[in-house]
Amino acid sequence: DSGVTQTPKHLITATGQRVTLRCSPRSGDLSVYWYQQSLDQGLQFLIQYYNGEERAKGNILERFSAQQFPDLHSELNLSSLELGDSALYFCASSVDPDTQYFGPGTRLTVL
Amino acid sequence: AQSVSQHNHHVILSEAASLELGCNYSYGGTVNLFWYVQYPGQHLQLLLKYFSGDPLVKGIKGFEAEFIKSKFSFNLRKPSVQWSDTAEYFCAAARNSGYSTLTFGKGTMLLVSP
Repeated sequence: DSGVTQTPKHLITATGQRVTLRCSPRSGDLSVYWYQQSLDQGLQFLIQYYNGEERAKGNILERFSAQQFPDLHSELNLSSLELGDSALYFCASSVDPDTQYFGPGTRLTVL
Repeated sequence: AQSVSQHNHHVILSEAASLELGCNYSYGGTVNLFWYVQYPGQHLQLLLKYFSGDPLVKGIKGFEAEFIKSKFSFNLRKPSVQWSDTAEYFCAAARNSGYSTLTFGKGTMLLVSP
């Protein structure tokens, strides 16, 4: 157990819908990262927040957005969902710049 | 552009065989290097990391990796694998500067047969 929690574990929804994934970082970690893992693209960095502010952006679609709240938990919002958005979404947190601890992931299935 | 490549997508070994998984990176400047493991149905766990110093890094569960700067490589090794090592292994790199983001390789699925 890494100390990073993610909810829900599984999410099944339809195309065109919007979902919110939640991540609670390890106690004391200020940085939160979101990753998407799919069979064809592998593990891709989406976005990073540090103490409530966006720090870095990766291959995140415009339909996706994220935020980090004052209690440091983070949410990833995915809208206008397409079949290709089906993937595992991981959250990670870190206290130092170099070691990230990953959560168990949310498996999103878009039908 | 920064990239990490893993040579093998799938590796099948028998128990007690030796393991070497290749990883090459393409980065400007100094990099930090990592190997993560993902057991079936579980989250990614850090196996080992290299920031600086001794290029031979020892991690958990008997794994080690060697950083060879001239070859831009960071290969993962284990002298004798066990059935419980069946998992997907990811090499990752990040710039050695502040809160740098990780770039992952595509992963290598290791299947160890008993």
